[in-house]
Amino acid sequence: DTEVTQTPKHLVMGMTNKKSLKCEQHMGHRAMYWYKQKAKKPPELMFVYSYEKLSINESVPSRFSPECPNSSLLNLHLHALQPEDSALYLCASSQERQDSNQPQHFGDGTRLSIL
Amino acid sequence: QQQVKQSPQSLIVQKGGISIINCAYENTAFDYFPWYQQFPGKGPALLIAIRPDVSEKKEGRFTISFNKSAKQFSLHIMDSQPGDSATYFCAASRFSGGSNYKLTFGKGTLLTVNP
Repeated sequence: DTEVTQTPKHLVMGMTNKKSLKCEQHMGHRAMYWYKQKAKKPPELMFVYSYEKLSINESVPSRFSPECPNSSLLNLHLHALQPEDSALYLCASSQERQDSNQPQHFGDGTRLSIL
Repeated sequence: QQQVKQSPQSLIVQKGGISIINCAYENTAFDYFPWYQQFPGKGPALLIAIRPDVSEKKEGRFTISFNKSAKQFSLHIMDSQPGDSATYFCAASRFSGGSNYKLTFGKGTLLTVNP
């Protein structure tokens, strides 16, 4: 079992729906990430939060809206998605250190299907 | 463009054999090299990682070999088991203060271990 918990595991939504993906970690990590992964491809970084502040947005369309309510939670709000947005959405977290890179720990993702 | 080239794309090994996956990178500023293992329907799990100040790191049946001058690193799985069948991603990142935000992933290797 991973220490990064994502809900729901599966989500089917229409293009006009609004839904949210949730991620929770209790490892005390202060960096949290959203990735998108298409079948047979590596994860692609979408957003990074550091100490609850958005630090990186990889030019993601505005129909994806991230939110970090506190140090343990990360949300991804979805609105007016397109069929090509169907993918596995992964959350990850890592420690924040001032001297070296720290490993990122991934959740098992939310499998999103857009009808 | 920062890239990590991974080979082979797929690999079939007999039970008890050695699985070898190779990665090559271009950016000499990379200073952290993790390997992730991903099973179908699951998120990537950190397997083992290495920093460029060592040439080899071993954890159980998994070994990373690192060649800084050649800008290459590889994963060796000794005594491969059917349970090792998964997709393996190499990755690299450059420490830029505070966190290793951006992981540059290889394209992945689908490993099948036959019983």
